This record gives sequence, C-alpha cells and structure tokens, in this order.
Amino acid sequence: GQGVEQPDNLMSVEGTFARVNCTYSTSGFNGLSWYQQREGHAPVFLSYVVLDGLKDSGHFSTFLSRSNGYSYLLLTELQIKDSASYLCAVRDSNYQLIWGSGTKLIIKP
Amino acid sequence: GGIITQTPKFLIGQEGQKLTLKCQQNFNHDTMYWYRQDSGKGLRLIYYSITENDLQKGDLSEGYDASREKKSSFSLTVTSAQKNEMAVFLCASSTSDWGSAETLYFGSGTRLTVL
Repeated sequence: GQGVEQPDNLMSVEGTFARVNCTYSTSGFNGLSWYQQREGHAPVFLSYVVLDGLKDSGHFSTFLSRSNGYSYLLLTELQIKDSASYLCAVRDSNYQLIWGSGTKLIIKP
Repeated sequence: GGIITQTPKFLIGQEGQKLTLKCQQNFNHDTMYWYRQDSGKGLRLIYYSITENDLQKGDLSEGYDASREKKSSFSLTVTSAQKNEMAVFLCASSTSDWGSAETLYFGSGTRLTVL
C-alpha cells in the first residue's frame, strides 16, 4: 500500500543543524511538501519540491530523490524556536495528499 | 494575509453524542478540508469541498457529515462520538483543487475528548 514514513523523534543542538528524513512509496508522484507544526498550533507550509536535487531556501533546504522515494528537510543554524514537529506530505498520481506522521525535533541548548 | 478560525478549540462530548466543529476562512479560498490528526499517525482526510455547497468524501468520512453553505465556512459533524476518535481535527483551505502545487493553510485545530 501507499505510505509516507518519518522517524518519530530527532534531537539536535542549538547552533548546529538537523536533517529530517522522509521516505515514501506512492502510486505516482506529483510533488512533496514540508510543513512545520509547533505544539498546539496549526501546521505551516515550509517547502514544496517536485524535481530532484537540493532546493535552498535559506534557513531551510529541501532535497528530493524521486528514484529512491526519499526527501529530507535540512535546518541549519538551529534555534530553540525551531523545536517543532515537521510533517512530510506526498501528492500521488490521483493528486491526493499522503501524510507522514511527523518528526518531533527537540533542540537542546 | 488571512486566517482560518476553528471553533471550539476544545470540545468535550459524551459517547454517542452528535457534535459539530466549525471553521471559517477569510482567504477567499475555493477549497476547504477537514483532517483528523491522531497521535503517531499522519493527517487523514475526512471531507473536502471545492466550492460552496460541494462535498467530497475522504478516506475517513464514515461517522462524519460536513456542510459548506458559504464559501468562507466549512463545518464538520461527528454523528455519534466514539472514544476511539479522540483526536485533533484540523481545518485547512487552499486556492485550488487537486492538480496543482497549492499550499494548504491550516487552522490551529479542535481537540475532541469523548467521555
């Protein structure tokens, strides 16, 4: 069946970086999106990728490899306020969004 | 900028009770969605609507009804609340239907507790 997988938790240190992984197996592919969700708040759109390679958006960068069904969100120069859950969502051939369960990123001082 | 407002923020009901969740958006977006967010699981689509008075079922529509009487509002009814559907219900809107790279804008959610 279709699925989008993410690790449950990730821990990193303020000032360093964190890489949030997402693997997917879907019937077709029409793009992958990343959202940030702070505890008790709405998910907020971060990035959308549809072509292979690295897309640099400053504090956030996004990588995609369609042949491997893999993406990551890279956060650099981490700040405590980056502590949140990061959700990956893949749009399949029917343009339905398949969501991962999210990775909770904890940043230590 | 716009905003999506969900009411109530917390909803407590009895098992078997009919409960209604409301969502308002001022983006003037055509498409609106209701998702359920369970701990440890991805968002699951309950209903979506591409325009006023349109309703489309998602994978999780059983046990729910929806209503889109105005472009700006989308309500969700839990027809008979069950303990196993305690979750956060998220409303979202976007500018267009499937088939584009549209961004979803979410409300902050309604947390449902069933006693």
